[in-house]
Amino acid sequence: QITLKESGPTLVKPTQTLTLTCTFSGFSLNTSGVGVGWIRQPPGKALEWLGIIYSNDDKRYSPSLQRRLTITKDISKNQVVLTITNMDPVDTATYYCARIPVAAPIYGGARWFDPWGQGTLVTVSS
Amino acid sequence: DIQMTQSPSSLSASVGDRVTITCRASQSIRNYLNWYQQKPGKAPELLIHAASSLQSGVPSSFRGSGSGTDFTLTISSLQPADFATYYCQQTYSPPWTFGQGTKVEIK
Repeated sequence: QITLKESGPTLVKPTQTLTLTCTFSGFSLNTSGVGVGWIRQPPGKALEWLGIIYSNDDKRYSPSLQRRLTITKDISKNQVVLTITNMDPVDTATYYCARIPVAAPIYGGARWFDPWGQGTLVTVSS
Repeated sequence: DIQMTQSPSSLSASVGDRVTITCRASQSIRNYLNWYQQKPGKAPELLIHAASSLQSGVPSSFRGSGSGTDFTLTISSLQPADFATYYCQQTYSPPWTFGQGTKVEIK
């Protein structure tokens, strides 16, 4: 069974740095082609893609947040860490991590998120 | 960035109805299109990947179709458990953008 769980502070002050950890089980980031992504969702709004990291340490970030985002992995701990600097109230959201399965040739290299963690609500307020 | 536009933003339907949600990409994304279902207070769950492949465990009443820029999610017979918000997502190129969501409500 594959599971992911996000952990970190529920409340941060403006200008502070947010660090969230995604701890997963049932798969390894040592497996070629596997990845983990981060997605967030402001209250009542749509999903927003933040970034992804693959087993080979290839990373992609949202262009709008790239200057503030860092994603790293710790294979020995089965964890992926998301860091966002200079937090603002508009960053208040539920933050999710999700697995990216290995791309299967039958699907032409298409990728997707499955499964997702339960999410963690982060509020930015002084 | 590739823009994903879903329509409608919301709809009201009855149990047993056939429901169709469309998603349009601002450029061709081949078949790199996924559909997720999200219920209130829960994480999204994958329904359809690669435009038309039903995720394991998802009822066969869900069907995805399309390629290029135009895609459709069809629920052939709406069930009580299907009332939720649905999102499309492209994974053709980063950022892997989502549509704005379609909320399916009980009529």
